[in-house]
Amino acid sequence: DTAVSQTPKYLVTQMGNDKSIKCEQNLGHDTMYWYKQDSKKFLKIMFSYNNKELIINETVPNRFSPKSPDKAHLNLHINSLELGDSAVYFCASSQGGTASYEQYFGPGTRLTVT
Amino acid sequence: GESVGLHLPTLSVQEGDNSIINCAYSNSASDYFIWYKQESGKGPQFIIDIRSNMDKRQGQRVTVLLNKTVKHLSLQIAATQPGDSAVYFCAENGGYQKVTFGTGTKLQVIP
Repeated sequence: DTAVSQTPKYLVTQMGNDKSIKCEQNLGHDTMYWYKQDSKKFLKIMFSYNNKELIINETVPNRFSPKSPDKAHLNLHINSLELGDSAVYFCASSQGGTASYEQYFGPGTRLTVT
Repeated sequence: GESVGLHLPTLSVQEGDNSIINCAYSNSASDYFIWYKQESGKGPQFIIDIRSNMDKRQGQRVTVLLNKTVKHLSLQIAATQPGDSAVYFCAENGGYQKVTFGTGTKLQVIP
């Protein structure tokens, strides 16, 4: 069973388009995240939701909008795609609370904007 | 901005030798540190963690050392194997569920 899954795995699109990436976790975790990993492998947190409520919203262009329909899903919608949005986007989840901050990551979505 | 780690270095190690991967952090208020392993084409995977009230923690073939005085974290891998080849990230928790990742170290194991 896949713990954290993302779709699609690859996404190639043109500048100006709008696209969505979906994420689902079957671990029963309360908290979900979106990260962006650039070509130099730097991982930067974008958003975090806890029980469908936004708790972390880093300095991200408002073209990026997360949406959590329930605590098992966290989708990322991107409007007016730009070349600089090309990266690998990772979804992750964690149990929440202070017992452990261990995060479980999905396989990533490689977004290429042309 | 970036608060953990340095530029992305590469560490080459002979199979069977021990590996030591280092990381510097800047937030003295961080209370929890984690090491992740990222294999090519995959998401990061948890290896081991340590709380700020400890200075050493051991797992299977891995040991994490924490030196709060100089804000330094290290990951030691014993008897390095080809399957250990990956990018390793240190990460710190400086607030509720907000984990900041370092830039990573690429470990290459030479057979």
